[in-house]
Amino acid sequence: LAKTTQPISMDSYEGQEVNITCSHNNIATNDYITWYQQFPSQGPRFIIQGYKTKVTNEVASLFIPADRKSSTLSLPRVSLSDTAVYYCLVGITGGGNKLTFGTGTQLKVEL
Amino acid sequence: EAGVAQSPRYKIIEKRQSVAFWCNPISGHATLYWYQQILGQGPKLLIQFQNNGVVDDSQLPKDRFSAERLKGVDSTLKIQPAKLEDSAVYLCASSLGGPHTDTQYFGPGTRLTVL
Repeated sequence: LAKTTQPISMDSYEGQEVNITCSHNNIATNDYITWYQQFPSQGPRFIIQGYKTKVTNEVASLFIPADRKSSTLSLPRVSLSDTAVYYCLVGITGGGNKLTFGTGTQLKVEL
Repeated sequence: EAGVAQSPRYKIIEKRQSVAFWCNPISGHATLYWYQQILGQGPKLLIQFQNNGVVDDSQLPKDRFSAERLKGVDSTLKIQPAKLEDSAVYLCASSLGGPHTDTQYFGPGTRLTVL
């Protein structure tokens, strides 16, 4: 099963913009790309979802290139409370269309 | 709106014992998922139900894991017998409609420790 890969960790300071990329070469044609945030001892929480181009909501933006083989989550002005693990979720082809979480990115925000 | 409920929150058992987890999805959600999340890794889909039926159980170790969704609402996941490598957090999620387009809402998870 092809992996959906992300950087292991990122460090930032409060007020900065953070961009986290997910690589998903074998994304299924009809699948959306969804990003989740997870705090310790909690289940993942929905951040944003998109199919192509750019999507923006009140907390983040999602950039998806035309080939859809990657996606970038953008957090505009991070705060300490954004320290968490961030996952992308896509459907991956090959042996069926399997929902696959990315490897996860630990974001640490400091003052 | 009430979220996804799971119980128990924590469970400690010895290897070769049996264990069961319960999940109550958000009311009206047709699709229910069970994930296994090993420490430091992303969640791995074990099984996915649409109403009463199984949509995908290709990654469920069927020799020891089983799951059912009663009347298209609550679900239970069972492990029998447990192995050391089953130590993980078991997450339940639900979505209103199709799994590849609809947002999944997750419960808090059950942390299983197998000694």
